[in-house]
Amino acid sequence: AQSVTQLGSHVSVSEGALVLLRCNYSSSVPPYLFWYVQYPNQGLQLLLKYTSAATLVKGINGFEAEFKKSETSFHLTKPSAHMSDAAEYFCAVNSGFQKLVFGTGTRLLVSP
Amino acid sequence: KAGVTQTPRYLIKTRGQQVTLSCSPISGHRSVSWYQQTPGQGLQFLFEYFSETQRNKGNFPGRFSGRQFSNSRSEMNVSTLELGDSALYLCASTPGIVAGELFFGEGSRLTVL
Repeated sequence: AQSVTQLGSHVSVSEGALVLLRCNYSSSVPPYLFWYVQYPNQGLQLLLKYTSAATLVKGINGFEAEFKKSETSFHLTKPSAHMSDAAEYFCAVNSGFQKLVFGTGTRLLVSP
Repeated sequence: KAGVTQTPRYLIKTRGQQVTLSCSPISGHRSVSWYQQTPGQGLQFLFEYFSETQRNKGNFPGRFSGRQFSNSRSEMNVSTLELGDSALYLCASTPGIVAGELFFGEGSRLTVL
């Protein structure tokens, strides 16, 4: 069965600092992997997706993620944090048709 | 293009009652999925409908049911509500080009008293 593990329920950074949110996956087949973001009182929005093409995936709002098969990782990064990046971030793996299995989420806190 | 619309946004029910939540997908999207989000269990898949057929189902009791209409709109129903059913229920639609690329609504927040 497919699963993802997000390390760190909370990550705090200063504005302008590097953002690194960690996600490791477990899958018996080549995975489709996703990062979604959730702002307070809103639904989820797709940040980026990996579908077995390029291993370095660029998404919206300056985020990118690199698929590393040897490490079973799909970490999310952004070179310079902005206050508006404060939100909860979810890593997910596709598990058949449109079923996603989500990680437990990482809340990103950005301080001025 | 309008996004995924969920109604109602907020509702309060008491134990034992039933509730129906509605979801209107993005125009042209034929797949609709439902997820439950709680602080304790996180985001969990409920079911997915495609062309009025349930294509996938999560590990929830039979009190949770859904359906999809010919215009792709979907409803989910929870009968005999329990306190633990308090959650944010999220609907997502997709054109189905990329498996897992979902467009979510803002959710229906259900509180069971």
